[in-house]
Amino acid sequence: DTGVSQNPRHKITKRGQNVTFRCDPISEHNRLYWYRQTLGQGPEFLTYFQNEAQLEKSRLLSDRFSAERPKGSFSTLEIQRTEQGDSAMYLCASSPWTGAATEAFFGQGTRLTVV
Amino acid sequence: QKEVEQNSGPLSVPEGAIASLNCTYSDRGSQSFFWYRQYSGKSPELIMSIYSNGDKEDGRFTAQLNKASQYVSLLIRDSQPSDSATYLCAVNNAGNMLTFGGGTRLMVKP
Repeated sequence: DTGVSQNPRHKITKRGQNVTFRCDPISEHNRLYWYRQTLGQGPEFLTYFQNEAQLEKSRLLSDRFSAERPKGSFSTLEIQRTEQGDSAMYLCASSPWTGAATEAFFGQGTRLTVV
Repeated sequence: QKEVEQNSGPLSVPEGAIASLNCTYSDRGSQSFFWYRQYSGKSPELIMSIYSNGDKEDGRFTAQLNKASQYVSLLIRDSQPSDSATYLCAVNNAGNMLTFGGGTRLMVKP
């Protein structure tokens, strides 16, 4: 399977716990994006990387959220001290970057439930 | 005002009809436009991209872009029940992240 891969697919955690999600992009894609989607809404941008550099973070991304892409390959998104409002689908997407906007492809998502 | 706006629907069409989905955007600097299909509980799947004014056809799908009116649409010909899903419009400006609309739910009735 050469698509974007996300793990885990589902995560249930207690409020206050930390969680970490992983995304493996399509291998030749150097851009990687994280989005969050709640029921009935479109995906909301969180952050993106070009290779290992984190180029932009949304104002929505609180200090409890951190993302890394240490070697420009896979990425992790960590949420510290989870809150019920963090319950959502976390989506990762990747795209090649050729100096112009190109198509982004999404992984299956990680559904987070905070209880 | 949201940056990308879509009618949330549901848009209901009979099988075999043409479904017309619309999207408006606020940033005149937007350069690239995409339509994603999302089935319930699944992630978005890219179905069309369009970069210049006019029409772009791919099978039963036609994307239309009018930058002067800041409007992009998706036509689905010969709609099938399997086309029932939420359709997300996404806009890219300056080559950075995609901004999504809230999606339009399409229901195709047999």
